[in-house]
Amino acid sequence: AQSVAQPEDQVNVAEGNPLTVKCTYSVSGNPYLFWYVQYPNRGLQFLLKYITGDNLVKGSYGFEAEFNKSQTSFHLKKPSALVSDSALYFCAVRDRAGFQKLVFGTGTRLLVSP
Amino acid sequence: GAVVSQHPSWVICKSGTSVKIECRSLDFQATTMFWYRQFPKQSLMLMATSNEGSKATYEQGVEKDKFLINHASLTLSTLTVTSAHPEDSSFNICSVIRTGTNEKLFFGSGTQLSVL
Repeated sequence: AQSVAQPEDQVNVAEGNPLTVKCTYSVSGNPYLFWYVQYPNRGLQFLLKYITGDNLVKGSYGFEAEFNKSQTSFHLKKPSALVSDSALYFCAVRDRAGFQKLVFGTGTRLLVSP
Repeated sequence: GAVVSQHPSWVICKSGTSVKIECRSLDFQATTMFWYRQFPKQSLMLMATSNEGSKATYEQGVEKDKFLINHASLTLSTLTVTSAHPEDSSFNICSVIRTGTNEKLFFGSGTQLSVL
């Protein structure tokens, strides 16, 4: 069965510093990996995805994620955090069967302090 | 603007009552919608797949008679939690899939359900 682990409930970072939100996954076969963000009172928004190709994926709002097959990780990163990046971040994985099998992590709350 | 509208954002109800949550696709017709649920400290989990004009498909362990899903039109799916109990308190979120060459998933803003 597919699974996703986000080991940190919360990540605190000062504005201007780099940030990393961790995600590891378990799936049979090659995964499709996603990051979603939820701002207060808003729906989950798509940030980026890895399907195939370059291991470093660039997404919205300056975020990027690095797919590491040997470590089964897909950590979300940003070189310089903004206060407005404070939100709840979800990592998700699906197999090639389709969105019906999208599996989420528990979510990580990112707090960026001024 | 929002692609998916979900109401209400939060609801508090008494134990034993029923609660209805609506999910509307605003920008396109959706034959398939998904309902997810998250308990505190747990993953966002798929509860059921809502199919327009047919019965919903429930994930293992989800009681279909307790969580009634109606997808009567191409833009609206409703989830009714019947005879809610405190252990049903959770964050519920719907999503809509836009099919095509660039298949994409859009989410509602979620409903925080608190059962007293």
